[in-house]
Formats: sequence, structure tokens, C-alpha cells
Amino acid sequence: AQTVTQSQPEMSVQEAETVTLSCTYDTSESNYYLFWYKQPPSRQMILVIRQEAYKQQNATENRFSVNFQKAAKSFSLKISDSQLGDTAMYFCAFTLTSGTYKYIFGTGTRLKVLA
Amino acid sequence: EPEVTQTPSHQVTQMGQEVILHCVPISNHLYFYWYRQILGQKVEFLVSFYNNEISEKSEIFDDQFSVERPDGSNFTLKIRSTKLEDSAMYFCASSSLRYTGELFFGEGSRLTVL
Repeated sequence: AQTVTQSQPEMSVQEAETVTLSCTYDTSESNYYLFWYKQPPSRQMILVIRQEAYKQQNATENRFSVNFQKAAKSFSLKISDSQLGDTAMYFCAFTLTSGTYKYIFGTGTRLKVLA
Repeated sequence: EPEVTQTPSHQVTQMGQEVILHCVPISNHLYFYWYRQILGQKVEFLVSFYNNEISEKSEIFDDQFSVERPDGSNFTLKIRSTKLEDSAMYFCASSSLRYTGELFFGEGSRLTVL
């Protein structure tokens, strides 16, 4: 069975600083996708960034980048130049590329950006 | 910008009552999902729906749960006889692609069972 673990329930960062959110996962499969979703307070979850497991290059979306370590089954999210609007719950998620429709989510990390 | 809408935003019900949660997915999406999150716990998969039938369901999705897409736009989750442990935030999501496509979520329906 696949699992996703986020070991940091809460984090805070000063505006303009950099923060890294951790995520580890467990699977015996080799083909999958990994995602980071952001849920601002009282808003819907939106996709932040996506990584295909077959790609060695780490995904980047503007101020958001990932450190994907396939052998270690680690998928951390780095937010550079943190902004107040980054305050949200962040969920790491995983899905296989075949055999299932299910996305598996972690418990989330609540990030607060401080002015 | 198209979005997934869910109603009601909050529903309070008595144990044993039936509840229907409503979702309007994005119109050209093909895959539909229900997830739930019990307070402080992980977001859990309940069911996926494709081509007018359930494509996958979790062990949580027992006979008390059902889904329907009655009119080509709405996607409903019915809980026949609610239990206290059904209290959670229920999220509807849709996607245009099965794997590489992102999930588009609604804002959630909070269900409180007393």
C-alpha cells in the first residue's frame, strides 16, 4: 500500500525568507506522480507543483521548487521569497500512473508567513 | 475561471439521517472524485467516478455511501444513515485527465453529525 507522510504539522516563516516543507512517501512502484497542493484558509485546494517520477530534473514553478529524491522517497517543497499569500495548508499527494484512480494525500503542513 | 462548486457549505444532521452533498464539477471534465478529511487527519479518498460509473472506491465507501451524476452536471454523494464518525469535511474534485491532470477541488462541505 502507498503512504504519504508529512512530519511537520505547523511551520512559520518570515516574509521574504525561504522555507522547506517535507514529504516522504512509500511505494514499491516505479511510475507515479507527486504533487503539492495548497489550501488557503476557507478556500479550495489548488495545485502548486507536480513532479513525474521518471523525470530526474526537479520541477519548478516560479517561487516554488521541489527536491525530489526518488531513492530516498522524499519530495520536499521549497518556497522562496515567502509572501503573506503563501499562508495556507500544504498537502503532499501521490498517484500511480496505472491501476488506480486514487490520489493519496498526507496530513498537511500548516504554513504561516509572518509580516 | 471555471471552478468546482459544492453545496451546502455546512450541514448539521442527526445520527441516522440521510444526507446528500452536492457538487457541480467543471463542465468538460471526465473524472470525478469525493474525498473527505476528518479534522486534523489526512485527506482520504472515498470514490472516483468515470463514464457514468464508479471506477474505484475505498474501504470507507461502504453500502451507506452512494454517488450519482443524475443530469450530466451534478455529482452527488449520499450517506444513507449517518454515523458520528461521518463528521468531516467532504471535498468534491474533478479532472480532465486521469494521471497527469491536476485535481480541481471544491471548497468542501462540512458535515456535522450529532
